[in-house]
Amino acid sequence: SQQGEEDPQALSIQEGENATMNCSYKTSINNLQWYRQNSGRGLVHLILIRSNEREKHSGRLRVTLDTSKKSSSLLITASRAADTASYFCALTSNTGKLIFGQGTTLQVKP
Amino acid sequence: GAVVSQHPSRVICKSGTSVKIECRSLDFQATTMFWYRQFPKQSLMLMATSNEGSKATYEQGVEKDKFLINHASLTLSTLTVTSAHPEDSSFYICSANRKGTEAFFGQGTRLTVV
Repeated sequence: SQQGEEDPQALSIQEGENATMNCSYKTSINNLQWYRQNSGRGLVHLILIRSNEREKHSGRLRVTLDTSKKSSSLLITASRAADTASYFCALTSNTGKLIFGQGTTLQVKP
Repeated sequence: GAVVSQHPSRVICKSGTSVKIECRSLDFQATTMFWYRQFPKQSLMLMATSNEGSKATYEQGVEKDKFLINHASLTLSTLTVTSAHPEDSSFYICSANRKGTEAFFGQGTRLTVV
């Protein structure tokens, strides 16, 4: 299966701490994307990283991609209570459809 | 602002009835849209790829006669859940790709079948 596998499934940290989520996959990819979902809501795109990129930043977010290990990580620095959400990695197939990982549920305690 | 609009955001229907969900790309044309389903505390599962002007492509295990998809224009795709049953209760989300950019998602539709 091309589906991404994420770990941890759940993560609970204190406000101000960093949160790291990992995504592993099995096949080659064009790009990998990270999304955020608040409970019962739609998805918000965070970062897209292409297969020829190794690292991207966006504000407090840092995404790395290691194609040799077929893995990606999402780091949220200086977390806030408002970062509490589920985070999903998604692989883009050559037809454009997204295949989502199982997600990591992040709870940031104030 | 939102570039993909999904309607309704929430619907409750009786078992045996049909429900239509709309997905619109607001400021771009989308020849392809995608429909996903998400059960509580689970990830999104792709149901089908909606193709403008042609038949939708369904993922394995998704009943095409139950989940009717129509993509009649470049900005609108509809998903109709026919003869809905309680087990169809779920969160349905559509997405569309603006050319050269990431996928944009609708707000999702919470379907409850009673």
